[in-house]
Amino acid sequence: AQSVTQLDSHVSVSEGTPVLLRCNYSSSYSPSLFWYVQHPNKGLQLLLKYTSAATLVKGINGFEAEFKKSETSFHLTKPSAHMSDAAEYFCVVSDRGYSSASKIIFGSGTRLSIRP
Amino acid sequence: GAVVSQHPSRVICKSGTSVKIECRSLDFQATTMFWYRQFPKQSLMLMATSNEGSKATYEQGVEKDKFLINHASLTLSTLTVTSAHPEDSSFYICSARSGTSGGSSTDTQYFGPGTRLTVL
Repeated sequence: AQSVTQLDSHVSVSEGTPVLLRCNYSSSYSPSLFWYVQHPNKGLQLLLKYTSAATLVKGINGFEAEFKKSETSFHLTKPSAHMSDAAEYFCVVSDRGYSSASKIIFGSGTRLSIRP
Repeated sequence: GAVVSQHPSRVICKSGTSVKIECRSLDFQATTMFWYRQFPKQSLMLMATSNEGSKATYEQGVEKDKFLINHASLTLSTLTVTSAHPEDSSFYICSARSGTSGGSSTDTQYFGPGTRLTVL
């Protein structure tokens, strides 16, 4: 069985300071992991994904995430927050089974607020 | 990157009527499409998985007779909310998985912009 836990429902940082959004997962197999961002009343945009290549994954808009198997974590970071980063962020896990029936599981989401 | 569209983006209907939402993959073939529902300030909940040319697989607790899903082609899936009631009001999001036929869970899912359904 697979699951994903986003440890913070809300994170608030000042503009220009680092961002850390935490995600822990559990998976029966080697997982694929994703981070998506959702702006208000919008669909989801893929920020980055991990699929067994390099453990440090760079995504769009300056975000990156590091896959740590020993800690079962996939935390999302950004060195310097921008006002436009304010949004809801979802960590997603998928078992790497080769089946069209495989599903992905969403975390509960972390709302990121940016203070001027 | 791959683009998924949804139509309409917003719909308001009267209780008891049916509403159809379309999900299209614009620049790739999607053998599998997914339908999600999102309540305010909550995460996405998978409703059903739709494979082209076959019946959709519904998640536990989702009424298949109420939420009709058709995946008639590799680029189009539709969700019809039948006899809609106010409790069906929600944000419905589809996603399409790129990749080869047969699919792989490593294939990325691309999400549509969502459809806001309000049932009066």
